Amino acid sequence: KQEVTQIPAALSVPEGENLVLNCSFTDSAIYNLQWFRQDPGKGLTSLLLIQSSQREQTSGRLNASLDKSSGRSTLYIAASQPGDSATYLCAVREGGGATNKLIFGTGTLLAVQP
Amino acid sequence: EAQVTQNPRYLITVTGKKLTVTCSQNMNHEYMSWYRQDPGLGLRQIYYSMNVEVTDKGDVPEGYKVSRKEKRNFPLILESPSPNQTSLYFCASSLRGRYEQYFGPGTRLTVT
Repeated sequence: KQEVTQIPAALSVPEGENLVLNCSFTDSAIYNLQWFRQDPGKGLTSLLLIQSSQREQTSGRLNASLDKSSGRSTLYIAASQPGDSATYLCAVREGGGATNKLIFGTGTLLAVQP
Repeated sequence: EAQVTQNPRYLITVTGKKLTVTCSQNMNHEYMSWYRQDPGLGLRQIYYSMNVEVTDKGDVPEGYKVSRKEKRNFPLILESPSPNQTSLYFCASSLRGRYEQYFGPGTRLTVT
């Protein structure tokens, strides 16, 4: 059974710092991996999608990498800002399945201090 | 604007009173899903649909029903809500092939 883990559970950094969020999964047979941002009481905003054949994706100050063989993904945030404060979730879509199911990690709560 | 919408956004109800949470997407996506989010348990899939008239159970389907009569709509039905269905509910949709999921804003349901 696929399990997704995110470490750390919470992170506090000063504004301007570069940071890395980690995501690991137990079964490497994934179709893709998606990183989301969730603000308190709000919906999920898709940040980056990495297909299983890709190694990384970039959007602005965000860079996500994927190492399927080791079951790991990282989300790199450059020059963090207070507006980046949110919970970051990673989720994997298992390969070959028609369930359209994402299996989520429990998230990393990020606080960027001004 | 491409989006997934849910209604209502907040709902307080009593045990046993049937309710429906609507979900609509304007992106012509084939796939739609419902998730619930609970503290310590994360997001779990309730039901999913691959296309019109094609639905199936996710991981936590007990107490829920869905229908997919039109491509854009995927309502979640609680025929007899119970307090353990108090949760934050999300609808999501994705395009076949790419499978990037887009989420609605969520519906916070409280059952007393």
